[in-house]
Amino acid sequence: EVQLVESGGGLVQPGRSLKLSCAASGFTFSNYGMHWIRQAPTKGLEWVASISPSGGSTYYRDSVKGRFTISRDNAKSTLYLQMDSLRSEDTATYYCATEGYAPFDYWGQGVMVTVSS
Amino acid sequence: DVVLTQTPSTLSATIGQSVSISCRSSQSLLDSAGNTYLYWYLQRPGQSPQLLIYLVSNLGSGVPNRFSGSGSGTDFTLKISGVEAEDLGVYYCMQATHAALTFGSGTKLEIK
Repeated sequence: EVQLVESGGGLVQPGRSLKLSCAASGFTFSNYGMHWIRQAPTKGLEWVASISPSGGSTYYRDSVKGRFTISRDNAKSTLYLQMDSLRSEDTATYYCATEGYAPFDYWGQGVMVTVSS
Repeated sequence: DVVLTQTPSTLSATIGQSVSISCRSSQSLLDSAGNTYLYWYLQRPGQSPQLLIYLVSNLGSGVPNRFSGSGSGTDFTLKISGVEAEDLGVYYCMQATHAALTFGSGTKLEIK
């Protein structure tokens, strides 16, 4: 059974950093592209970043380019999102998701990030 | 970025009723290889989203066949043939044809 467990969220001041993790199990992690998607409180879904199975290719939405870094450790079956220079508009629940036969075919339970002074 | 417009924003249905949700794209989702990367997801209250339909009309793993998807180019439809209580939640379309994956704003399905 595919399992994705996010961690690392919390309350952080504007301008500070936070690193999210997504521990994967139940599938061969190194064969799958991975994504981060976020959802601001009471809002819709917003794609954040993607990474290829090897980690050699990464993609970001414009609003996080230069501030967020997606990475992975295939030996640990773990996906990361390093978030720097955080802004209030980054406040959201962050989900990791797989890309198997389709984008976002499996999702984690999400982790909340609150950016506030 | 490609804008996906979903209508209606809210839908109220009785058990057993058939309903449809529209997703219209600001650009064609047909790529140069003839593929259309349009997907549908359901987010039940308090839960993470789940994949329902991939590549316009293919059912996701474990998804009941009362769900169906259709469309082409810029116009797409999700149909539920015989709504059940567990179908309540917010439905999102998503496109992956163009860089910067984008979601529609969602359609909330309520059960009368």
